[in-house]
Amino acid sequence: EVQLVESGGGLVQPGRSLRLSCAASGFTFDDYAMHWVRQAPGKGLEWVSGISWNGGSIGYADSVKGRFTMSRDNAKNSLYLQMNSLRAEDTALYYCAKDRCGGSCTFDYWGQGILVTVSS
Amino acid sequence: QSALTQPASVSGSPGQSITISCTGTSSDVGSYSLVSWYQQHPGKAPKLMIYEDTERPSGVSNRFSGSKSGNTASLTISGLQAEDEADYYCCSYAGSSTWVFGGGTKLTVL
Repeated sequence: EVQLVESGGGLVQPGRSLRLSCAASGFTFDDYAMHWVRQAPGKGLEWVSGISWNGGSIGYADSVKGRFTMSRDNAKNSLYLQMNSLRAEDTALYYCAKDRCGGSCTFDYWGQGILVTVSS
Repeated sequence: QSALTQPASVSGSPGQSITISCTGTSSDVGSYSLVSWYQQHPGKAPKLMIYEDTERPSGVSNRFSGSKSGNTASLTISGLQAEDEADYYCCSYAGSSTWVFGGGTKLTVL
C-alpha cells in the first residue's frame, strides 16, 4: 500500500524558513517523480514543485521560484521542500504527491497534507 | 503559469450526466496529452479520476470519462450519484517541468 506522510509544518513568522519532509513507503521510491501541491484555506489546488526520479529535473511554480528548493533522498525514501523567505500567502495545506511516471505524467497518490501557517 | 479555467459550480440530479470543462492554452492543455482530473471531498486529499486526457485508473468507476478538443478538456460523469458530490480539479502539464491546475468546480447533486 502506497503511503506518503508529510511532516515539518507549523506556525512560522514571515521571512523565516521551514523544511517539509515526506516519508514514502509501499512502492519503489526511486522509480517515480514526486511533487508538492498546496491548498490555501478554502481555496483550490496549486502545484508547487516537482522532481524527477533521479533529481535531474526539477520544476517550480512562479510563485515560489527562488524561495523554495525541492530535493529527494532515494536512499531514505524521502522528499523535501525547503521553504525560505516565507510570506503570508504561502499559508496552506501542503500535500506530497507521487507521480505515475519516472519523468512526470500525473499525480496518482497523495499524502494527507501538512499545514503551514505564516503569520506574525 | 496561468490557472486553467473551470466553471465554479455545476449541478445535476441523480442519474443524470454532467460535464465539467477545463480551458487552457496551446502551451498547456493543447500541447500535451497530460490532462488529469481529481476529485476532492471536504477535508480529504484529492483522488485521481482521469489521467493522460482519457485514461481511467483501476478502481475508478466507468461512470467517469475524460475527453479533449484543442485547448479544452472535459470530465463527464454519467449516472450521477450522491457520493459524486465533491470538488473537481483539472490539471495539465505546462512544459519545462511545470504543471498548472484549474480553479476547481463544485459539483452539487440535487
